[in-house]
Amino acid sequence: DAGVTQSPTHLIKTRGQQVTLRCSPKSGHDTVSWYQQALGQGPQFIFQYYEEEERQRGNFPDRFSGHQFPNYSSELNVNALLLGDSALYLCASSLGLSGGYTGELFFGEGSRLTVL
Amino acid sequence: RKEVEQDPGPFNVPEGATVAFNCTYSNSASQSFFWYRQDCRKEPKLLMSVYSSGNEDGRFTAQLNRASQYISLLIRDSKLSDSATYLCVVNMMTGGFKTIFGAGTRLFVKA
Repeated sequence: DAGVTQSPTHLIKTRGQQVTLRCSPKSGHDTVSWYQQALGQGPQFIFQYYEEEERQRGNFPDRFSGHQFPNYSSELNVNALLLGDSALYLCASSLGLSGGYTGELFFGEGSRLTVL
Repeated sequence: RKEVEQDPGPFNVPEGATVAFNCTYSNSASQSFFWYRQDCRKEPKLLMSVYSSGNEDGRFTAQLNRASQYISLLIRDSKLSDSATYLCVVNMMTGGFKTIFGAGTRLFVKA
């Protein structure tokens, strides 16, 4: 049973560039949430996708956008990168609004973004 | 005020010690509560759910006080392998669900 997979695992960008991160949820899960984790901090909620729509959003600017595909996989896009966007980006999947939600999030290993 | 607040620690304890972590949350509409564990440079993983009646899983005991909006985690007989960051997590159902993490409490268990 494949868990949550994310790609790429590491990447380096420069200020002003754009980045796309990808996530495949755990088999059977239909809801994907994205988190940003800076060094020494807890994961910060960016947004959640279900049925290809953004359902919830945290306090992140519009530079952060996402998408969910019919197969439940998801992308996180960040435009006009800033130095402060350097962080570990975590994707978490769960059974969500379709029912069966237990509160448990399954995380991928993350994509570590460095902005120079 | 942060939605979920934890003492960042670090807590440095010897093997066999009992250690307790506390967490407070600000949104009274919060519906479910969890403790996650995160090892260094790894992803968070669910440790246990937290119920109003309290729940125990081996050496770990979690408690919830809804009136005080307070969550706790007690670890008895600490092991070296318990060294990690413990994340307090609160889930709110507002149309969809939003899961909010605290900043985490670092625990170091020493031989």
